[in-house]
Amino acid sequence: NAGVMQNPRHLVRRRGQEARLRCSPMKGHSHVYWYRQLPEEGLKFMVYLQKENIIDESGMPKERFSAEFPKEGPSILRIQQVVRGDSAAYFCASSPNRAGTEAFFGQGTRLTVV
Amino acid sequence: DQQVKQNSPSLSVQEGRISILNCDYTNSMFDYFLWYKKYPAEGPTFLISISSIKDKNEDGRFTVFLNKSAKHLSLHIVPSQPGDSAVYFCAAVLSGTYKYIFGTGTRLKVLA
Repeated sequence: NAGVMQNPRHLVRRRGQEARLRCSPMKGHSHVYWYRQLPEEGLKFMVYLQKENIIDESGMPKERFSAEFPKEGPSILRIQQVVRGDSAAYFCASSPNRAGTEAFFGQGTRLTVV
Repeated sequence: DQQVKQNSPSLSVQEGRISILNCDYTNSMFDYFLWYKKYPAEGPTFLISISSIKDKNEDGRFTVFLNKSAKHLSLHIVPSQPGDSAVYFCAAVLSGTYKYIFGTGTRLKVLA
């Protein structure tokens, strides 16, 4: 899973600021997934993207959260006007195919909102 | 509604013995299951998977068993090693989709 690169590893934001989390998938992978892990909980699906397309964002909060995976460059998860409840570990995963193939995870970005 | 449940938050096992981690699910439309291992401050690492058409899959020290009638799967690690100490997550995939539904994890501690 070292092939999926996330940055930054740690991000501290004050309430009301914007957080931008980046994810570069493994080479050859065109499917990107974002998951969030709250303290003492499992990982929760947020969004699934392919290049330039959002395929499923059913796990994304309706407001303040957005994601993109442009033709060039990394996938970005953006959280606007962060609140304390956004503090969590955000993991990106990538895979070469859809269902039936294991996804490889990055090391995560730990967001702390103060 | 927790569709994938890992009812044991923690497990301690002596080095060299077998570790058995359990996972229950409620949705009969899940057709693919995976186990991931996670160390603190790292991302989950894929361990082993199983399709619903099988009841067992083995890879080295790791074996996953699937009992569809009971909606239960388990991960066996034998022999257990101190380096296996981590949090283990099971995940299920709904047929025709790509979303992983994760359990809440079991923290395994292998005692030397």
